[in-house]
Amino acid sequence: DTEVTQTPKHLVMGMTNKKSLKCEQHMGHRAMYWYKQKAKKPPELMFVYSYEKLSINESVPSRFSPECPNSSLLNLHLHALQPEDSALYLCASSQAGVSNYGYTFGSGTRLTVV
Amino acid sequence: AQSVTQLDSQVPVFEEAPVELRCNYSSSVSVYLFWYVQYPNQGLQLLLKYLSGSTLVESINGFEAEFNKSQTSFHLRKPSVHISDTAEYFCAVRQAGGFKTIFGAGTRLFVKA
Repeated sequence: DTEVTQTPKHLVMGMTNKKSLKCEQHMGHRAMYWYKQKAKKPPELMFVYSYEKLSINESVPSRFSPECPNSSLLNLHLHALQPEDSALYLCASSQAGVSNYGYTFGSGTRLTVV
Repeated sequence: AQSVTQLDSQVPVFEEAPVELRCNYSSSVSVYLFWYVQYPNQGLQLLLKYLSGSTLVESINGFEAEFNKSQTSFHLRKPSVHISDTAEYFCAVRQAGGFKTIFGAGTRLFVKA
């Protein structure tokens, strides 16, 4: 299995809703990432998990809450989002501790906040 | 800190013509260099990477990139493009031993028939 699977593919939520994005991989990768990508822009790093522990939080607002329950799963919990948070949210994984290893990305969740 | 500059935001080209997508990077430490491709409504896919050794690296679909240390460049080339190569291409850099990959702004390659 050489894929990163993200669900749902599309999500529309109101500003008072609580929702979660899910990411799963079975490649044995121990580093997982959340990126946010706005239209016609490069991906921006949000969070890095290494061996199920949060390693990097790029000063992301607390309305985004990551969780890594095990080595295969990564969640992003969303609460009280703003319309400007609408974007493509990408999950990626790679070998941990190996910086010359590229990332495997999922297809993303396209989030619209109304 | 590292940075990546992709010199062209859009590159239109006719089918079967050659193409070069330019990328320059800046870093005070050793880095690894990558090219990723993003097709419409999809995530990014690793196209190729430079780690060390030969300065010319190739991908399985005909793209190649040349690492030039003196010019701090990692340009992507293909001798003959296809319509299916239409996509966004991102150059990226990662510090040796680091967690973060920094992406360039992207170059949209548009192949015309």
